[in-house]
Amino acid sequence: EDQVTQSPEALRLQEGESSSLNCSYTVSGLRGLFWYRQDPGKGPEFLFTLYSAGEEKEKERLKATLTKKESFLHITAPKPEDSATYLCAVQVGAGGTSYGKLTFGQGTILTVHP
Amino acid sequence: IAGITQAPTSQILAAGRRMTLRCTQDMRHNAMYWYRQDLGLGLRLIHYSNTAGTTGKGEVPDGYSVSRANTDDFPLTLASAVPSQTSVYFCASSRSENTEAFFGQGTRLTVV
Repeated sequence: EDQVTQSPEALRLQEGESSSLNCSYTVSGLRGLFWYRQDPGKGPEFLFTLYSAGEEKEKERLKATLTKKESFLHITAPKPEDSATYLCAVQVGAGGTSYGKLTFGQGTILTVHP
Repeated sequence: IAGITQAPTSQILAAGRRMTLRCTQDMRHNAMYWYRQDLGLGLRLIHYSNTAGTTGKGEVPDGYSVSRANTDDFPLTLASAVPSQTSVYFCASSRSENTEAFFGQGTRLTVV
């Protein structure tokens, strides 16, 4: 069974204090790993897709990396507006029956204090 | 603004009643999905559609049905609501089944 585990469950940072969120996965045939940001009362907002080990993507203060077993979301010099729940999801290939199913982790609740 | 529109935004429903959650996208995406999000369980796929005219079951399909008569619309129907269907429901779409999905703002449903 495909499993996605995110850690920590919650993370409190001071503004400017860099850190990383972890997403560990156990799947067969990874097609892609996705990072989303979710604000309270809203739908997940797409951030990054990573397809192969060694790949990196950056957007403003966020940088996502991927290995064969996990992905990290690095947050450099965070600001209070970066406070949100960050979700990772994996998509697996199943030959001709693949239908784009995303298996989500539980998320990391990030709070950045001014 | 292009995107996904869900309606209603919230609803309180009596158990046993029938309810349809609406979802419309204007991005001409081929694939559409319905997820439910519950505390402690995360987002789980209910049903999906890779293209107009086709649908499939996800991880938690029991008690739900969908249809995909055209590219833009993907309604989710609860035939006879039960309290365990209390959740936040998200509709999503993607250009294809292998690209990133974009989510609507959600429908908060309470079944009493």
